[in-house]
Amino acid sequence: GDSVTQMEGPVTLSEEAFLTINCTYTATGYPSLFWYVQYPGEGLQLLLKATKADDKGSNKGFEATYRKETTSFHLEKGSVQVSDSAVYFCALSPSGNTPLVFGKGTRLSVIA
Amino acid sequence: GAVVSQHPSRVICKSGTSVKIECRSLDFQATTMFWYRQFPKQSLMLMATSNEGSKATYEQGVEKDKFLINHASLTLSTLTVTSAHPEDSSFYICSARDKAATGELFFGEGSRLTVL
Repeated sequence: GDSVTQMEGPVTLSEEAFLTINCTYTATGYPSLFWYVQYPGEGLQLLLKATKADDKGSNKGFEATYRKETTSFHLEKGSVQVSDSAVYFCALSPSGNTPLVFGKGTRLSVIA
Repeated sequence: GAVVSQHPSRVICKSGTSVKIECRSLDFQATTMFWYRQFPKQSLMLMATSNEGSKATYEQGVEKDKFLINHASLTLSTLTVTSAHPEDSSFYICSARDKAATGELFFGEGSRLTVL
């Protein structure tokens, strides 16, 4: 079945460091890909998405490119801030009205 | 973007009581809503898919008699945890897909249930 694998955390970075969180997926067809962020004690918020190969999603300085050839959707940010500390979930939507398939989440801690 | 509201955000109850959590799509119609459960420091586990006007579809291992889901209208789904026990303590999150859109889900803020 469809699945998402993302790097295990926790990831601890200093402020202004470069961030990469790896995400790869297995799916039939052409899924849409998402990154969600969960701040402490809150629900999930959509961070960015991409719906087809080579699309780049971006928001708040975060970027991820839909790479069909490597079945990847790695999340990157050039300079992280303390306020970026959260859990990040990679997810895919197979098609139509099916529920999202989530990765296990990666906890990011950014220290000043 | 679209807004999904959950209520209550936090609830504490005694063992053996039932708790109802509401999930509302505030500015769109949602024919399908999903209920997830999140254990501490873990990912989201899909519990059930709720379709307006029909019975919910439960994932394997989820007790449908314990977690009652009702999706009576295009903007409201409810999850009732019946005869709650301490092991039911968790963070419950609902999500809804806009009837007019595909792919993107909008999430509620989550409801933290603590059963004493």
